[in-house]
Amino acid sequence: EAQVTQNPRYLITVTGKKLTVTCSQNMNHEYMSWYRQDPGLGLRQIYYSMNVEVTDKGDVPEGYKVSRKEKRNFPLILESPSPNQTSLYFCASRTSGNEQFFGPGTRLTVL
Amino acid sequence: SQQGEEDPQALSIQEGENATMNCSYKTSINNLQWYRQNSGRGLVHLILIRSNEREKHSGRLRVTLDTSKKSSSLLITASRAADTASYFCATGGKTSYDKVIFGPGTSLSVIP
Repeated sequence: EAQVTQNPRYLITVTGKKLTVTCSQNMNHEYMSWYRQDPGLGLRQIYYSMNVEVTDKGDVPEGYKVSRKEKRNFPLILESPSPNQTSLYFCASRTSGNEQFFGPGTRLTVL
Repeated sequence: SQQGEEDPQALSIQEGENATMNCSYKTSINNLQWYRQNSGRGLVHLILIRSNEREKHSGRLRVTLDTSKKSSSLLITASRAADTASYFCATGGKTSYDKVIFGPGTSLSVIP
């Protein structure tokens, strides 16, 4: 089954404790993105990757890092999480025709 | 910005009625997409319409695109309670690597 998986689905952590949210897709898509979704602000792109070892900032990259060492994986790293990073996070991969496939989401709470 | 803006922000209808949502955007696009999101879940791609298309159908969904007015509409016919969700339009740029930008969404409630 074609899908994007994310882990963990829920995470409660404390300020400053490094964390990684994993993302994996099995569709051989080149383009992958991370979004955060906040009430009233919609979906905002954090980072994207056009292929292995090619990543770039989206609209709200501050406080986040990504890597793309393999085509299928695109982890999101928060080196020192802060409460304003409490949000619902989505990973997505995209076909060459722009159709995006989203993961189930990771609900992150930073205390 | 080529951000899509949905209208209305919220819509409540009775089961069986049709639901229409509109999307406006600001710059030239290659395609426009509609997505559905059930509460707290990932977005699901519904339909993509290219800039050289005017209308597209998929089951109970009908999407129109008017590039001269920079607007699109999503019509859901004979709505069901299971259609209750948020609906987002997203605009894609000229190349397949251009950013896809999402609007803030329309929240649809279908009352049984």
